[in-house]
Order: sequence, then C-alpha cells, then structure tokens
Amino acid sequence: GQSLEQPSEVTAVEGAIVQINCTYQTSGFYGLSWYQQHDGGAPTFLSYNALDGLEETGRFSSFLSRSDSYGYLLLQELQMKDSASYFCAVRVDRLVYNQGGKLIFGQGTELSVKP
Amino acid sequence: DAGVIQSPRHEVTEMGQEVTLRCKPISGHNSLFWYRQTMMRGLELLIYFNNNVPIDDSGMPEDRFSAKMPNASFSTLKIQPSEPRDSAVYFCASSDTLSRGRPNTEAFFGQGTRLTVV
Repeated sequence: GQSLEQPSEVTAVEGAIVQINCTYQTSGFYGLSWYQQHDGGAPTFLSYNALDGLEETGRFSSFLSRSDSYGYLLLQELQMKDSASYFCAVRVDRLVYNQGGKLIFGQGTELSVKP
Repeated sequence: DAGVIQSPRHEVTEMGQEVTLRCKPISGHNSLFWYRQTMMRGLELLIYFNNNVPIDDSGMPEDRFSAKMPNASFSTLKIQPSEPRDSAVYFCASSDTLSRGRPNTEAFFGQGTRLTVV
C-alpha cells in the first residue's frame, strides 16, 4: 500500500517560520513534491526533490531524506496569503522520457496564518 | 496557454443518472491524470494516461467509473450510474515529460468539477 503522513493542521503568525513534515511509505519512490491549494482552488506546484537535501525557492524551501522516508516544506516570512492547504506527493513510478509516472498525494496540512 | 480546462465547473445530478466530466489538457502535455478530492479521503488518483493510453486505473473505485482519452487534447470521466457517495471535487491534471529532454516534474491542475449527487 501507499501512505503519506502529514499533520492535519498548523497555525502560525505573520512573519514567522513554519515547517510542515511528511513521512511516506510507498511501493516506489522517485521524488517528493509539494503543492499548495487555496480554498476552492486547484492544487499548484511548489517544489520537487528527487535527491537528499534542501531546495530553496524564494520564501519556500523543501527538504528530503530518502533514508528516513521523510521530507518537509519550510515557509519563511509567513504572509496572510500563505493560508492554504499544503500537500506532499510522491512519484511512485519512475519518471522517464515519454512516461508521466504515478503521483500519490498525502491528506494535506491546513495552514492558518494569523495577524 | 489557458491551462487545463475542465467542464462543467459544477454538476448536480440525481442518483442513478449518468455523469460525464470533461478535460482539455495543456497543449503538448503527454500525461493526464484524474483525481478525486473529498474531506475524508483527500486527493485520490483515479487513473492516468500517457500518450492517450491508460497506464494505471487501479484507483478507479468500481465498474461504474470509466475514463477515455480519444486524442491528446480531450479526456472524459464517466460515472454510470451515479451514487451520493460519488459526490466530490474531480480534478484533471496534465504534465509534460518530453520537455527539453528532462521530464517535467510538475503536474498542472484544472479548476475541478464539483459533483453533487442527490
């Protein structure tokens, strides 16, 4: 089976830093992605890690440790507009030329940013 | 590009009726995914296609669900007959694995179809 575990909700204040963790147990692993979804909207891509380490994109960073089957999303300088649900997702099939690969999502973490 | 386009945005139907959801992926993308989102089960992958061919439909809940992709620019998800437990938001997503020799790791989602079966 496939399972991705993340906290159901997190609350933080504007300007703070928050970390959303994700642990996974999947049949295969070919990369960890993070997506953001605002209420009523479509999930949008934030980041992707195929190898261990930290990837930084502006205020957002994502980390992966394949040996621990663990990753996290780090959001810095929180803003009110960051209030949304955040999903980790694992590619369980190999992503190669001409093949999309199966993408499995966690249950999502609802982040509330308070003034 | 207009992004992934889904129709209708909202659908309310009676139990037992047939429902057809439609998706137009981003032009040039060769992979297409259908997801279902509910509070209880989160985002579930139903089926995905590569180059119009179904690769994995293990997430399709039962025989009442079927999906087709007759060409690279169109896909449908059909539920027949529909049941109240099918009520959910259905998302279509596409990705491009042929981009500049390096598979694109990002999936682009449509705005979803909110289905209510009464």
